[in-house]
Amino acid sequence: TQLLEQSPQFLSIQEGENLTVYCNSSSVFSSLQWYRQEPGEGPVLLVTVVTGGEVKKLKRLTFQFGDARKDSSLHITAAQPGDTGLYLCAGDPQGGSEKLVFGKGTKLTVNP
Amino acid sequence: GAVVSQHPSRVICKSGTSVKIECRSLDFQATTMFWYRQFPKQSLMLMATSNEGSKATYEQGVEKDKFLINHASLTLSTLTVTSAHPEDSSFYICSIPGLFYGYTFGSGTRLTVV
Repeated sequence: TQLLEQSPQFLSIQEGENLTVYCNSSSVFSSLQWYRQEPGEGPVLLVTVVTGGEVKKLKRLTFQFGDARKDSSLHITAAQPGDTGLYLCAGDPQGGSEKLVFGKGTKLTVNP
Repeated sequence: GAVVSQHPSRVICKSGTSVKIECRSLDFQATTMFWYRQFPKQSLMLMATSNEGSKATYEQGVEKDKFLINHASLTLSTLTVTSAHPEDSSFYICSIPGLFYGYTFGSGTRLTVV
């Protein structure tokens, strides 16, 4: 069974601070996705990274896929209260099973 | 990306009754849909894979007689929680895989069994 270790599980920071969330695995994924979920809603896809070493930027969010496609990180610059939410990484296992492997999530709170 | 409609968004039912949750793909024909369960402050737990025209595939530990899944068309999958009990109270979410990468999730159903 492939696992994704996501850390930290909880993060509470002040507005304007930077933060990084990590997802690590011993397994290789064909792609890795990051989702953001608000309370009472379903997860919303932020980005998909596919190529080893890939870096994608979405405004103040920077996503990186490890060279070996086993790990990924999400970096938020100058966090704002609107960034508050549950961030989930999810990996697409090699072999096309279509069943995503989810990390345990990072509950981010940005205080004004 | 695909558009997924899930309803109801909230439902309260009495213990022993059954509840049906619908997941519709509005603009995409989905041969496969996924059903997840999520406990407060936790990640998503895959319950089953819904396959159009055939039986659903359940994850280990998920009772298939308790959580009935029907995927009768390419745009609709339903999850029925039968003889619900308070321990079945949870947040249930469906998703469909995108054309390339990424999955689209429904908005979720908050089930409360009293």
